[in-house]
Amino acid sequence: EAQVTQNPRYLITVTGKKLTVTCSQNMNHEYMSWYRQDPGLGLRQIYYSMNVEVTDKGDVPEGYKVSRKEKRNFPLILESPSPNQTSLYFCASHTIFDTSYEQYFGPGTRLTVT
Amino acid sequence: GNSVTQMEGPVTLSEEAFLTINCTYTATGYPSLFWYVQYPGEGLQLLLKATKADDKGSNKGFEATYRKETTSFHLEKGSVQVSDSAVYFCALSDYKYGNKLVFGAGTILRVKS
Repeated sequence: EAQVTQNPRYLITVTGKKLTVTCSQNMNHEYMSWYRQDPGLGLRQIYYSMNVEVTDKGDVPEGYKVSRKEKRNFPLILESPSPNQTSLYFCASHTIFDTSYEQYFGPGTRLTVT
Repeated sequence: GNSVTQMEGPVTLSEEAFLTINCTYTATGYPSLFWYVQYPGEGLQLLLKATKADDKGSNKGFEATYRKETTSFHLEKGSVQVSDSAVYFCALSDYKYGNKLVFGAGTILRVKS
């Protein structure tokens, strides 16, 4: 089954404690992205990657890091989380061979930073 | 930059009522347009899409037409069900920045039986 998986689905942590949210896709997609969803703001892109070892900032990259060492994986790293990073996070992927650029989303990770 | 504006919710309807959720966009070029749906406690699912002007996307009784002249992509359904209660997001693809999706704020739909 074609899918994007994220782990963990729920995470409660404290300010300053480094964490990683994993994302993996099994569709051999070139593009992967991270978005955060906040009430009244919709989803906003944090970082994206066009292929292995190629990453770039989205609209709200402050406080986040990413890496793309393998095509299927795109982890999101919060080195020193703060309460304003409490949000619902989605990983997404798509292929350049679909000219509509339809993106496939993971199930989401709800992060709470206290 | 590119942007999407959706009607504010929540929208509350009775079962079998007609649904319209307005969406307008600002974009350079010719983006693809999407409607995504988020059911309670779940992730985002693509509901329908349109890739060029005058295209009509449709799925599960929902429809939306890509109107370039009015820069709109309004979502419609003739007869809603309780199971349609969800958050609906209008989005466009921005080719300039890694084909990111630019989302509207989302519209909560509540359908009463």
